[in-house]
Amino acid sequence: DAKTTQPNSMESNEEEPVHLPCNHSTISGTDYIHWYRQLPSQGPEYVIHGLTSNVNNRMASLAIAEDRKSSTLILHRATLRDAAVYYCILINRKAAGNKLTFGGGTRVLVKP
Amino acid sequence: GAVVSQHPSRVICKSGTSVKIECRSLDFQATTMFWYRQFPKQSLMLMATSNEGSKATYEQGVEKDKFLINHASLTLSTLTVTSAHPEDSSFYICSASTTGTRELETQYFGPGTRLLVL
Repeated sequence: DAKTTQPNSMESNEEEPVHLPCNHSTISGTDYIHWYRQLPSQGPEYVIHGLTSNVNNRMASLAIAEDRKSSTLILHRATLRDAAVYYCILINRKAAGNKLTFGGGTRVLVKP
Repeated sequence: GAVVSQHPSRVICKSGTSVKIECRSLDFQATTMFWYRQFPKQSLMLMATSNEGSKATYEQGVEKDKFLINHASLTLSTLTVTSAHPEDSSFYICSASTTGTRELETQYFGPGTRLLVL
């Protein structure tokens, strides 16, 4: 599986945007970029995913570089509830089993 | 939609006993369920993949005779930790995915089960 690299942690102030980078320089053409987050003492939850174009949903936006070797998850206005570990994961749609390989993720701290 | 539940949410047991954890997809049929383990301050580690009606596929280093997985229906998978020992104490999380073009890429996670073996 292609590897992703994320910063260990980031801090943000409440109500401000948060930009979470993810590098995936070995991404293949059939790899989708997925983001999940895990709130304290809970199971992960799906945030967003994309292939080539930028994506928006009610939780976040995903900006994908033109060469697809990096992407950025954008939380437009961080709230205290957004404090979590955010995981950037590549999933090869052609691979059987739909397995997720979790790396270390980025721990986001939101300050009031 | 796409809710996954786990039961129990936390369990304390004595060393040498077996513990069963249930994972249910409440509003969809899950053809594939996954079991993860997470130790404190660490990331999730995939233990096994189970498909309804067939034997689970275990990741390297995971003992299949110790972690018994049964996926008897499209809405229920169980993980049994047999002869539990203190080193098995961990946060166990299941997830489920469905067939279909769009849903295939998304996994829905349960809230986790915290196991403490004394």
